Order: sequence, then C-alpha cells, then structure tokens
Amino acid sequence: AQSVTQLGSHVSVSEGALVLLRCNYSSSVPPYLFWYVQYPNQGLQLLLKYTSAATLVKGINGFEAEFKKSETSFHLTKPSAHMSDAAEYFCAVQTGANNLFFGTGTRLTVIP
Amino acid sequence: DGGITQSPKYLFRKEGQNVTLSCEQNLNHDAMYWYRQDPGQGLRLIYYSQIVNDFQKGDIAEGYSVSREKKESFPLTVTSAQKNPTAFYLCASSFKTSGVYEQYFGPGTRLTVT
Repeated sequence: AQSVTQLGSHVSVSEGALVLLRCNYSSSVPPYLFWYVQYPNQGLQLLLKYTSAATLVKGINGFEAEFKKSETSFHLTKPSAHMSDAAEYFCAVQTGANNLFFGTGTRLTVIP
Repeated sequence: DGGITQSPKYLFRKEGQNVTLSCEQNLNHDAMYWYRQDPGQGLRLIYYSQIVNDFQKGDIAEGYSVSREKKESFPLTVTSAQKNPTAFYLCASSFKTSGVYEQYFGPGTRLTVT
C-alpha cells in the first residue's frame, strides 16, 4: 500500500532563508506524488506533482521538489522564504484506487 | 469562474442532529471526494465517487452518508451516529491528466457540534 511520511510537524525559517520540507514515501509501484499548500481556514492548493516525466519538478510560487528513488524521498524546497509562504504543507501519494493518501502536514513559520 | 463551492463556511449544530454539507463543482470533473481534517492528522478520506449514482467508502465512512445524483453535486450528511463530528470538511474533485488524477479542493466547511 502506498503511504507518505512528513518529517517535522513544524518548521521555522527566517525570511530569505532556504525552505526544506521533508517527505518520504512508501510504494510498491512507481508513485505519483504531490505537494499541496493550505492557508488558514482555506482549502488545499496544488503546488506541484511528480508523474515520472522528470525527477526535478518545478511548481508555483518558486517551489520545487526532487524525486529520489534511492532515498524514497520527495522533499519540497524554495531557495528564499517569503512571509507569504507561511502555511501548512501536505505531501500526498496517489493510491491504487486513484485516491490520495496525505501526510500529516508540516506547518511552516517564516520569521521576519 | 470554474471551481468548487462549499456552503456554508461555518456550521453549528446541536448534538443528535443530522447535518448536510453542500459541495458543487462546475469543472466537469467525473470524480468527487470528501475529506475530514483534524489538527495534526492531515486529511482522511470519508467517501468518494467516480461517476454519477456510484460512490465508495473511504477510510472513515462510519457516521457519514453521501449521494451523487448529479455530476456537479456531492452532498455529505453527518449523522448523529458520528461520534466526534466537529472538524473541518473539505470537498474535492479530480480529472485525469497524463495518467494522474489531479485533485482540486473547495474552501471547506468548519462544522461545530455542541
């Protein structure tokens, strides 16, 4: 069965610093992986997705993620944090039933 | 504008009452989903529907019911049998692109039961 694990429920970075949010997956087949962002009291917005076309995936708002099969990881990065990046981030994997299994989320705080 | 609407944004009910949450989409997506979100637990799938008049239970379907009479609509009823109904409920719909089902989410309904 497919699943994802997000390491770190809270991450704090200074404005302008590198953002790194970790996600490891478990899958018996080549996975489809996603990162979503959620602002307070709102729905989820798709940041980027991995569909096996390229291991480095670029998304919206300057975010990108790299699929590493050897490490079963799909970490989300952004070179320079902005105050508007403060939100909760979810990693997800598409399951065999074409549903999504979500990680428990990482709340990102950006310190001015 | 195309999108997913959920109403109301906030909902308050007394314990023992059934309540129905609305979800409508005009994206022409075949599949629709309901998730429950609790702090620190991520999103958990309640029900999903891949076509009209058909739906399947997700991981936490007990105490919930759904219907899918129209492609655009997928209402969720939280029944009095749901032990802990207070939560944030998210509706989503999806379409298939490049072999992947890409899900789009509504703004959510926060339900408080006292």
